[in-house]
Amino acid sequence: GAVVSQHPSWVICKSGTSVKIECRSLDFQATTMFWYRQFPKQSLMLMATSNEGSKATYEQGVEKDKFLINHASLTLSTLTVTSAHPEDSSFYICSAFTAGGNTEAFFGQGTRLTVV
Amino acid sequence: AQKITQTQPGMFVQEKEAVTLDCTYDTSDPSYGLFWYKQPSSGEMIFLIYQGSYDQQNATEGRYSLNFQKARKSANLVISASQLGDSAMYFCAMTIGSSNTGKLIFGQGTTLQVKP
Repeated sequence: GAVVSQHPSWVICKSGTSVKIECRSLDFQATTMFWYRQFPKQSLMLMATSNEGSKATYEQGVEKDKFLINHASLTLSTLTVTSAHPEDSSFYICSAFTAGGNTEAFFGQGTRLTVV
Repeated sequence: AQKITQTQPGMFVQEKEAVTLDCTYDTSDPSYGLFWYKQPSSGEMIFLIYQGSYDQQNATEGRYSLNFQKARKSANLVISASQLGDSAMYFCAMTIGSSNTGKLIFGQGTTLQVKP
């Protein structure tokens, strides 16, 4: 399958600081990237859909000013958690997809964010 | 409403035996895709198997098979000859529409533990 690299795999930051998470498709061009959030032992909840060169589409209840998404190229999307608070601590995982390509979306390894 | 339901929070299976993980779905769109992903404790999402709503045959991939019962709106995953490495969380997921967008709706997940 295609390779999606997510970085960092884990990060600890202080409350009030911002954290950037990168999602890269290494061997294909992703028309769309998705960002999910997952609390322990729970399901993946879609946060936003990111299309290259356009603004991200956020799911209901997700603060777009807090979770900034940039999809600057067909191989890179970034999620920035701004002014992080302890309640933002979670597992964040991206997936990358190409329309007309493989059936499935390919996931990054995920990022475990802990805000202290 | 579009929804995936996994009613088994946890399952145990003896090594080398088969196990069925339940999944039911709800959508009024006649075109959809059904997926199963495995999530080990490391967090990455591993694609296992896919079934399209118009596929006549049940999907199979090695030890994984999808028992697709359209009238009952169920898409159960069958793992044959369980191995210790199969211990993980398993998610059933769905995409909606004739054009696959890669956007997944996930179920709550089932934690599978394989006993030696």
